[in-house]
Amino acid sequence: EVQLVESGGGQVKPGGSLRLSCAASGFTFSSYSMNWVRQAPGKGLEWVSSISSSSSYIYYADSVKGRFSISRDNAKNSMYLQMNSLRAEDTAVYYCARDRIRMDVWGQGTTVTVSS
Amino acid sequence: QSVLTQPPSASGTPGQRVTISCSGSSSNIGSNTVNWYQQLPGTAPKLLIHNNNQRPSGVPDRFSGSKSGTSASLAISGLQSEDETDYYCAAWDDSLNGRVFGTGTKVTVL
Repeated sequence: EVQLVESGGGQVKPGGSLRLSCAASGFTFSSYSMNWVRQAPGKGLEWVSSISSSSSYIYYADSVKGRFSISRDNAKNSMYLQMNSLRAEDTAVYYCARDRIRMDVWGQGTTVTVSS
Repeated sequence: QSVLTQPPSASGTPGQRVTISCSGSSSNIGSNTVNWYQQLPGTAPKLLIHNNNQRPSGVPDRFSGSKSGTSASLAISGLQSEDETDYYCAAWDDSLNGRVFGTGTKVTVL
């Protein structure tokens, strides 16, 4: 079964850091680009970051550029999102999604809450 | 912020046809394919339409997509109660070098 499982969410104070993980199974992870997409409470979807299959191409939304860092380990079938200098507006459910022109497989999401 | 504009809501009675618009620009919809996602409450988005008008396996043919210029549309024919949820369009944006989502449309079955 094709599956993505996020982990690493939690509550953190403003200015703090968190590292999210996305574990993939059931497909050839190294053949796909991957994304992080977030959804603030009661709001719409917001693309956060993308990484190509070999990590050659990395893109970030302006809202997280300079604070977040995406990476992947194809040997471990995993993708990561290092989030630093967190702000209240980063509070959201974070989804990882498989990508080959379209995001066709999504994880169940992990919740990040930034609050003092 | 969302770059693609959708109506906040749409509604219809069971069996009716509902259409959702998605307006963008030359850097996103005008030059890239459009995908549509359905999101049920408390769950992850599900790919509904890809490459403007292609349905993934398992998606009912009641759902159809189209694109013209810098706009796209999702149509739901034969509206059913289980179609009452949120829908989002998405595309790659060449200027932003990233994916952009629509503002989202909540469909209500009256």
